[in-house]
Amino acid sequence: EADIYQTPRYLVIGTGKKITLECSQTMGHDKMYWYQQDPGMELHLIHYSYGVNSTEKGDLSSESTVSRIRTEHFPLTLESARPSHTSQYLCASSDGTGYTGELFFGEGSRLTVL
Amino acid sequence: AQSVTQLGSHVSVSEGALVLLRCNYSSSVPPYLFWYVQYPNQGLQLLLKYTTGATLVKGINGFEAEFKKSETSFHLTKPSAHMSDAAEYFCAVSAGTYKYIFGTGTRLKVLA
Repeated sequence: EADIYQTPRYLVIGTGKKITLECSQTMGHDKMYWYQQDPGMELHLIHYSYGVNSTEKGDLSSESTVSRIRTEHFPLTLESARPSHTSQYLCASSDGTGYTGELFFGEGSRLTVL
Repeated sequence: AQSVTQLGSHVSVSEGALVLLRCNYSSSVPPYLFWYVQYPNQGLQLLLKYTTGATLVKGINGFEAEFKKSETSFHLTKPSAHMSDAAEYFCAVSAGTYKYIFGTGTRLKVLA
């Protein structure tokens, strides 16, 4: 099994609240990712990191922010949640170089904003 | 630019029957292709990948896929479906360094 963990698994919050989704991996991977997953849609990359202090926005515009202060930790933060943020968020890390590395996924954090 | 198309958002097969999940890709460079599986309430797990070399790739749980450049396809097959194969399957293409493009997924249902 992959050693990548996400918390919380499920979260229901009210509009305007600040939330942080945690993601940690114990594999020592430099590359980490956040994807947004909605039913019937492809996974959308919202943030990625090549290593400590390196973060980039993905292809899907997102109001969230990320940080990478430690190799193993890649949290995602929403400063003010809205119903449009309701989705499943998947964290992943990669073991390879360049184009062919396998992605290891966490079990996901399902966010519902009321 | 790279893209992935999965034909059929839902596929149903009888237990013991052949599983065929279709994936077509578009890539301006030699593609690196992946199949991932997602069981309910879990993250995605790699089934198999094609990088270079042999075009028939074998993966876990008896699945395999064949890279066909002329058809720009990477279909996933399994000779005999098992109830435990019920899940959602995603095809993906490497879209450059550290980036991957995923299809919309195919939900496989296995009928007893």
